[in-house]
Amino acid sequence: NAGVMQNPRHLVRRRGQEARLRCSPMKGHSHVYWYRQLPEEGLKFMVYLQKENIIDESGMPKERFSAEFPKEGPSILRIQQVVRGDSAAYFCASSLDGHNSPLHFGNGTRLTVT
Amino acid sequence: DQQVKQNSPSLSVQEGRISILNCDYTNSMFDYFLWYKKYPAEGPTFLISISSIKDKNEDGRFTVFLNKSAKHLSLHIVPSQPGDSAVYFCASNTGNQFYFGTGTSLTVIP
Repeated sequence: NAGVMQNPRHLVRRRGQEARLRCSPMKGHSHVYWYRQLPEEGLKFMVYLQKENIIDESGMPKERFSAEFPKEGPSILRIQQVVRGDSAAYFCASSLDGHNSPLHFGNGTRLTVT
Repeated sequence: DQQVKQNSPSLSVQEGRISILNCDYTNSMFDYFLWYKKYPAEGPTFLISISSIKDKNEDGRFTVFLNKSAKHLSLHIVPSQPGDSAVYFCASNTGNQFYFGTGTSLTVIP
């Protein structure tokens, strides 16, 4: 299966811990996007990356959140010192050329902060 | 600032009839438009797209219409099937970001 793979599917963290969400894009895709969906809301853009570069992080909170897409390995969304308000579904998507081609989504990571 | 709006949170349609989902956008720079379908506990699945140089694109039971002067996008599903019951998101793109609407929950009644 060459689809977008996200893991873990479910992640439970206590307040103050770190959360690491992983995303492997579709084969041949070098553009990765992270979105967050809060309950009863739509998908909110967080960050757009290409290999080894952050292209647009205008949707990322300024503190505690970071993302990377290294030359080798999956893209990582990292949330430090999680708070209850971070509880959400986090979706990763990849695309072939970043514009005028569709995003293909993974099944998401549901983060619960207790 | 919601640049893509879906004003109908829900829609119910009888099986076999047409489903029409609507979407409005505010940014005249948007040049690529998409529709996604989402089941609970899954990621959105790409359905169909259209570029701003066209006003219609068809793929099987799905047709997307674009009215640039009205900044309006619609998705027609005909005939509707129970398996089409899901949340539908419209999205549009300019530059680096894809902007998504808040979704319309479609229920197709057998």
